[in-house]
Amino acid sequence: GAGVSQSPSNKVTEKGKDVELRCDPISGHTALYWYRQSLGQGLEFLIYFQGNSAPDKSGLPSDRFSAERTGGSVSTLTIQRTQQEDSAVYLCASSQNGGNYGYTFGSGTRLTVV
Amino acid sequence: GNSVTQMEGPVTLSEEAFLTINCTYTATGYPSLFWYVQYPGEGLQLLLKATKADDKGSNKGFEATYRKETTSFHLEKGSVQVSDSAVYFCALSSNTGNQFYFGTGTSLTVIP
Repeated sequence: GAGVSQSPSNKVTEKGKDVELRCDPISGHTALYWYRQSLGQGLEFLIYFQGNSAPDKSGLPSDRFSAERTGGSVSTLTIQRTQQEDSAVYLCASSQNGGNYGYTFGSGTRLTVV
Repeated sequence: GNSVTQMEGPVTLSEEAFLTINCTYTATGYPSLFWYVQYPGEGLQLLLKATKADDKGSNKGFEATYRKETTSFHLEKGSVQVSDSAVYFCALSSNTGNQFYFGTGTSLTVIP
């Protein structure tokens, strides 16, 4: 597609439920990143996929968080047993061959856990 | 390790004023440096970048110069407009480019 597409744009869920957030990167971009932006905070790195290599999961805050990237394209970020502190905007970005020339970000998914 | 520190906001300026948002970094090796902008209700957009020392990135009247000696990448604009009201993020990418490190963002409001 022309840009990075994320869905849903907004998600309200009850504490304890699981949620799935989707990211469709720019066609041909081999690198895909997930970040989290909490209110009043900067961006927090979560996970990075590059081609067929093993993902860099070093930023995932707990084992309730996981992500997959199928066929080197679409990625799904799953949060199990959501907690109120998970409320944030989850941003996906993609780039060609790593990020040294900049990422293209999606518009994000605003997750609210009530 | 890698990190970015940018001036805290919020910053409020009158239209046509001069803007500087300071950004300094700590990095191993030779990172690339970026400024991203987030307009109200929108996602982050790349504003400008510089990939090596002494490079100047520029876009939409904004400029920033990669200063290795002072480890800085300050954002400047000579005459701001109301439409520049947004949050500005300074960022660096690691040598391998597989992770970005963002500052906490600086909110800019330009009043007519």
